[in-house]
Amino acid sequence: GENVEQHPSTLSVQEGDSAVIKCTYSDSASNYFPWYKQELGKRPQLIIDIRSNVGEKKDQRIAVTLNKTAKHFSLHITETQPEDSAVYFCASSGNMLTFGGGTRLMVKP
Amino acid sequence: EAGVAQSPRYKIIEKRQSVAFWCNPISGHATLYWYQQILGQGPKLLIQFQNNGVVDDSQLPKDRFSAERLKGVDSTLKIQPAKLEDSAVYLCASSLVLQGETQYFGPGTRLLVL
Repeated sequence: GENVEQHPSTLSVQEGDSAVIKCTYSDSASNYFPWYKQELGKRPQLIIDIRSNVGEKKDQRIAVTLNKTAKHFSLHITETQPEDSAVYFCASSGNMLTFGGGTRLMVKP
Repeated sequence: EAGVAQSPRYKIIEKRQSVAFWCNPISGHATLYWYQQILGQGPKLLIQFQNNGVVDDSQLPKDRFSAERLKGVDSTLKIQPAKLEDSAVYLCASSLVLQGETQYFGPGTRLLVL
């Protein structure tokens, strides 16, 4: 089955800096790659997604890039704010959605 | 638009007892998913339904877990008998269609098995 690796597991940045989270996947048939943000005790919420026919997508301070050849995709958050602090999960979807292990992002004011 | 509803929100049981969780997806969503999220890990898919049919239950421990979506709307996930390692948050999600569409998650049911 699909295997999704996510790095780093924890990331601490200063407010205003950028944060980058990276994921790799194993199933070359995967064609949909969402990113979810999960605050403590809350449900995962979609923040951005990308499909395999697109290399990059941006939504305000958040961007995602996809390299299908390398089976690698990344989340970029610019001008980080304390409210960005949460656990972020990447996921890959072929027949089913498989999640990475998560990255705990801490933004220090 | 109302979101995915789940109940109960919290449940504490002793090992070997049984427990059931309920989920009502977003209206009109054909696909429903049950995930298990162990503390510190990403959600793991247990089962997915398309309307009232099972699409994938390859990761469902069928000796103790069962799920149904009889009328193609709400769904129930049952654990019988529960083990200590079943302590987790059980998340229900729904999407319009089966693949490549946004999944919307419910608030989850936090289960503690003592």
